[in-house]
Amino acid sequence: GNSVTQMEGPVTLSEEAFLTINCTYTATGYPSLFWYVQYPGEGLQLLLKATKADDKGSNKGFEATYRKETTSFHLEKGSVQVSDSAVYFCALRGNNAGNMLTFGGGTRLMVKP
Amino acid sequence: DTGVSQDPRHKITKRGQNVTFRCDPISEHNRLYWYRQTLGQGPEFLTYFQNEAQLEKSRLLSDRFSAERPKGSFSTLEIQRTEQGDSAMYLCASSSDRRNEKLFFGSGTQLSVL
Repeated sequence: GNSVTQMEGPVTLSEEAFLTINCTYTATGYPSLFWYVQYPGEGLQLLLKATKADDKGSNKGFEATYRKETTSFHLEKGSVQVSDSAVYFCALRGNNAGNMLTFGGGTRLMVKP
Repeated sequence: DTGVSQDPRHKITKRGQNVTFRCDPISEHNRLYWYRQTLGQGPEFLTYFQNEAQLEKSRLLSDRFSAERPKGSFSTLEIQRTEQGDSAMYLCASSSDRRNEKLFFGSGTQLSVL
């Protein structure tokens, strides 16, 4: 079946540091890939997505590139801010998974001023 | 756009009791999803509605769980004879169509079974 593995947190960074959160997946065919973010006290929100190999999703300074050869979708940001502190979830939707999203376990990011 | 709302925010119940949660999706969204999230884990899919039709159900959804969306608007999720293992955050999400893959999540209902 489909699965998503992401690095365990928490990840603690100083403001303006570079961020990478690793995400790898297992799926047949060509899934769509997503990053969702959950800020404290709020519901999950779509951060970015990519629907085919080599696509790059980007939003709010975050980027992730769909790498079919390494089955990865790592999240990066060049300079994090305190306001980026949240839990980040990598997710996929398989070709034959209907409308079901499969999520990773989440990575908590804490950014210190 | 008032977002996806869920009620109640928190529910504490005793083992063996029945509980019901409500989800109000974004008004123009015809697709509605229920997920369950335990501490430190990502959300796990439970079930999916398109309008009033329940089109997908996860194997996680035992026969103690039932979900409805009678008029294609709000949805309810009922758990009968609750068990301690049912303690989790129950999340509702909605979207407008399959091509728009963006799901809008509510803040969830936190269930604690004592």
